Amino acid sequence: DIVMTQSPLSLPVTPGEPASISCRSSQSLLHSNKYTYLNWYVQKPGQSPQLLIYLASNRASGVPDRFTGSGSGTDFALKISRVEAEDVGVYYCMQSLQTPLTFGGGTKVEIE
Amino acid sequence: EVQLLESGGGLVQPGGSLRLSCEASGFTFMNYAMSWVRQAPGKGLEWVSGIYGGGGSTYYADSVRGRFTISRDDSKNTLYLQMNSLRAEDTAIYYCAKGEQWLPSHFDYWGQGTLVTVSS
Repeated sequence: DIVMTQSPLSLPVTPGEPASISCRSSQSLLHSNKYTYLNWYVQKPGQSPQLLIYLASNRASGVPDRFTGSGSGTDFALKISRVEAEDVGVYYCMQSLQTPLTFGGGTKVEIE
Repeated sequence: EVQLLESGGGLVQPGGSLRLSCEASGFTFMNYAMSWVRQAPGKGLEWVSGIYGGGGSTYYADSVRGRFTISRDDSKNTLYLQMNSLRAEDTAIYYCAKGEQWLPSHFDYWGQGTLVTVSS
């Protein structure tokens, strides 16, 4: 199974400031078709998870452009250019290269 | 608008069974792979099982293989998860999630979840 490791576990942020979350996979998520199967989700308090980024760098429909996914191979990052209060929640990376699909342990983003 | 509505959760004793359902609308259900993802209380996300559109290939996490069965009825736009031999560690919110036409894939829509509690 592919192990997904996120850091940090907790991320206090200041509104208007940037924030970054790291995700590392135990093996490359680059497929022979040239796509990289890394996705990002956020679970806001009391809600179901929602898709932010798919295939490493593609924003899902309706996701603000302050969210950017980057990385390749085994090292990835989710960056928020200017954090807003509505961005609080737990952020998860997930690999969809192979089954079993696996998630990182989550990064809790909270306002300082 | 895509909607996924789970039902069937509840309290069950260890060793018991439960069947979850997920009614889908707002998209051509038969064309898309679907999955179940669970979240134990206060914990992270764990993929449980997935199925191709048209009732094709099925996939399971090792933790549930042999105990859970995923299925779908494309005529009813409904996804199912039959859970047998339930254990305390199966206690979780179970989410239905829509994938792409292939498996594995990312999930672009999630239901609101249904809570399963396994306890005596």
